[in-house]
Amino acid sequence: DVKVTQSSRYLVKRTGEKVFLECVQDMDHENMFWYRQDPGLGLRLIYFSYDVKMKEKGDIPEGYSVSREKKERFSLILESASTNQTSMYLCASSADGTSQETQYFGPGTRLLVL
Amino acid sequence: AQSVAQPEDQVNVAEGNPLTVKCTYSVSGNPYLFWYVQYPNRGLQFLLKYITGDNLVKGSYGFEAEFNKSQTSFHLKKPSALVSDSALYFCAVRDWGGNNRLAFGKGNQVVVIP
Repeated sequence: DVKVTQSSRYLVKRTGEKVFLECVQDMDHENMFWYRQDPGLGLRLIYFSYDVKMKEKGDIPEGYSVSREKKERFSLILESASTNQTSMYLCASSADGTSQETQYFGPGTRLLVL
Repeated sequence: AQSVAQPEDQVNVAEGNPLTVKCTYSVSGNPYLFWYVQYPNRGLQFLLKYITGDNLVKGSYGFEAEFNKSQTSFHLKKPSALVSDSALYFCAVRDWGGNNRLAFGKGNQVVVIP
């Protein structure tokens, strides 16, 4: 089974702090994704990566950055956390090659910024 | 741009009754369609997908979905709902913008009443 893990289930941070969210997948997937989930808005793509050291902006990249130094790990960074970044953050991965590959999700990190 | 619409915010159904969760799509290429389920405080779990072939797709936990090209719909169905099916359901479509991106709907809360 594909396993995607996220470093924290719950985080509480203060405004202005630098926040790191880590995601690790164990299936040698090429593609990795970061989403945020908010009630009534569904999932919105923040950033994705299709290879080591490669990254692409999603639909809402402002205020975020990412890092992918190793294939299995994709980090989301909030450079200076703000209260409007309070949300559920979901990481996902998928294999490359065929375009119909399923995305597999981690359990999510619920972030509260005070 | 590719998109999906889930017109109902919440679906209430009595246990044992048929369950339907609606999804319509808009794509400029071939419609690759997915359903995911999210249980409370969990990540998304893959249920099923339509790529090509039979219009009726069978998935996990007794769910199935019917692809209807003329109505641009991909409704999720289960013949007999269980209380444990109470969850948030997301429809998604392959975004032909590249790199296995998916465009998600806003989600449907399903409540199965004992």
